[in-house]
Amino acid sequence: DTGVSQNPRHKITKRGQNVTFRCDPISEHNRLYWYRQTLGQGPEFLTYFQNEAQLEKSRLLSDRFSAERPKGSFSTLEIQRTEQGDSAMYLCASRVNRGPFPNYGYTFGSGTRLTVV
Amino acid sequence: AQTVTQSQPEMSVQEAETVTLSCTYDTSESDYYLFWYKQPPSRQMILVIRQEAYKQQNATENRFSVNFQKAAKSFSLKISDSQLGDAAMYFCAYLFNAGGTSYGKLTFGQGTILTVHP
Repeated sequence: DTGVSQNPRHKITKRGQNVTFRCDPISEHNRLYWYRQTLGQGPEFLTYFQNEAQLEKSRLLSDRFSAERPKGSFSTLEIQRTEQGDSAMYLCASRVNRGPFPNYGYTFGSGTRLTVV
Repeated sequence: AQTVTQSQPEMSVQEAETVTLSCTYDTSESDYYLFWYKQPPSRQMILVIRQEAYKQQNATENRFSVNFQKAAKSFSLKISDSQLGDAAMYFCAYLFNAGGTSYGKLTFGQGTILTVHP
């Protein structure tokens, strides 16, 4: 399987707990993105990595959120002190940094669905 | 800031018929890309079709075509000969092309749920 892998697929947690999600991009893709998608809405950009460098963060990414991409391979997204408003699907996508965008598009993962109870 | 609006929360179509999904966007930029993505239930987002803003010709991909009206900032998706497998959430998305390269940050619309009736 050469797609973008996200784990876990589902996560149920109690309010106030910390959670961590993992994204494994396609191996040659050096750009990695996190999006958040709430029920019935379109995905919203959270953050972006080029290799191991986090180059942009959305204002949606509060201080309770942190993302890393050590060694420019897999990425983790951690949410501390979860709140019910954090319940959403967290999507990861990757693409290769080569050539004009339309020729090298995104590959999305299937997402991690977080439910905070 | 760029915005993308899909005014049709839900649409339905009979199998083998044609359906059009609407999308409008707002931007002050001239160099950008527009996309339609398909998201089946519990499955990953898949690119359906893309349009470069500098191209006047509307993009087509088999049964999928777009009507790109740059001045009106409109980008609709037409699905011909609809199939049961077309049932999904469809998202319109915008990408600003900054100087020929881009971080690739997509701005999505709210989505349209498409139901296909046999």
